[in-house]
Amino acid sequence: AIQLTQSPTSLSASVGARVTITCRASQGITNDLGWYQQKPGKAPKLLIYGASSLQSGVPSRFSGSGSGTDFTLTISNLQPEDFATYYCLQDYNYPRTFGQGTKLEIK
Amino acid sequence: QVQLVESGGGEVQPGRSLRLSCAASGFTFSTYPMHWVRQAPGQGLEWVAVISYDGSKKYYADSMEGRFTISRDNSKNTLYLQMNSLVIEDTAVYYCAREVVYSSAFDPWGQGTLVTVSS
Repeated sequence: AIQLTQSPTSLSASVGARVTITCRASQGITNDLGWYQQKPGKAPKLLIYGASSLQSGVPSRFSGSGSGTDFTLTISNLQPEDFATYYCLQDYNYPRTFGQGTKLEIK
Repeated sequence: QVQLVESGGGEVQPGRSLRLSCAASGFTFSTYPMHWVRQAPGQGLEWVAVISYDGSKKYYADSMEGRFTISRDNSKNTLYLQMNSLVIEDTAVYYCAREVVYSSAFDPWGQGTLVTVSS
């Protein structure tokens, strides 16, 4: 199974800041990677698909990049509602695998 | 409005079985692959299984193959997960999710149903 390693596992930042979360795959997955946001007690929400395409309705301060094995999620101008846990998910093959998550907290 | 609503969770003893359901509405259910994903308390997300739009293809996470069975009834717009020989480690919130047509991402997700395996 493809392993996805996210870094950092936790992150503190201030409102208005810019943050970057990294997801590294154990083998090449072209651009078959998505990013999801999860708030406590809620279902995950799709933010980015195909490594860099913004899901409809998601604010443009979210962006994704990368291909092959290295991917990043960048959030610009952090808003209070962005403090959550973020996961990457590879949809290159089965079994699908998630990164372990990155918890973004308010500084 | 696209919606997925899970049901069937609850508390069950180790070794017993449980069947989860996911009722879909607001889209043509029979044209989408569907997934189950779970999340143990305080832990990350774990993919469980997928079923093709017509039910002809199914894939499972290694740790669940042989114990869990995914199925669907397109006439009822409903996805199922039959879970047998449950163990304490199967305790989790179980989510169903639709696979997006234009990629293989998951959107939307249901609200989840909690399964607690306890003696």
